Amino acid sequence: DARVTQTPRHKVTEMGQEVTMRCQPILGHNTVFWYRQTMMQGLELLAYFRNRAPLDDSGMPKDRFSAEMPDATLATLKIQPSEPRDSAVYFCASGLNRGYQPQHFGDGTRLSIL
Amino acid sequence: AQTVTQSQPEMSVQEAETVTLSCTYDTSESDYYLFWYKQPPSRQMILVIRQEAYKQQNATENRFSVNFQKAAKSFSLKISDSQLGDAAMYFCAYIDFGNEKLTFGTGTRLTIIP
Repeated sequence: DARVTQTPRHKVTEMGQEVTMRCQPILGHNTVFWYRQTMMQGLELLAYFRNRAPLDDSGMPKDRFSAEMPDATLATLKIQPSEPRDSAVYFCASGLNRGYQPQHFGDGTRLSIL
Repeated sequence: AQTVTQSQPEMSVQEAETVTLSCTYDTSESDYYLFWYKQPPSRQMILVIRQEAYKQQNATENRFSVNFQKAAKSFSLKISDSQLGDAAMYFCAYIDFGNEKLTFGTGTRLTIIP
């Protein structure tokens, strides 16, 4: 089965450090979503891309977060500088065209900022 | 704004029995999709079932079926012949045609009793 691949699976780092999370969407999927899951906020959409173009990043703190798609097979989410409140599980999901098409999630990156 | 409510934080069921997880949502839209996602301890978000609001027929996927009541804005998930592998967090989610953001409920933790 085709799967969304996220790396790393776990990341522990100190406050102030740069964190980069990577996502390889399912081949042929043209829409990529980044979600964050915390106990307090649940699952929330941070940003999404279609055909590599950013469509909405309103859920993302602009001052420290950035999301890019260097090519169709790679999406990145970067945090610089990281803060303890960024500790969460970050999910990437991919799908075809519109968001109401099934979104297929990766295994997530568990991020801990000390 | 659309909201999704899962009023049962935890549920348990005896193996081989049937369990129903509740979900209600609030929207002023007429065209939308509803989803149930499963998140086992492995953390991956797995799509269980999808329902289009314009379809009156309830969706089914093997042992999983939904009871979609559009007027009542209710979307419950029934799991028949529960198996140990069904133990997970279950999230109800909503998306409409005009908005590409999945709105998730807070989840229901399902325990299967052997």
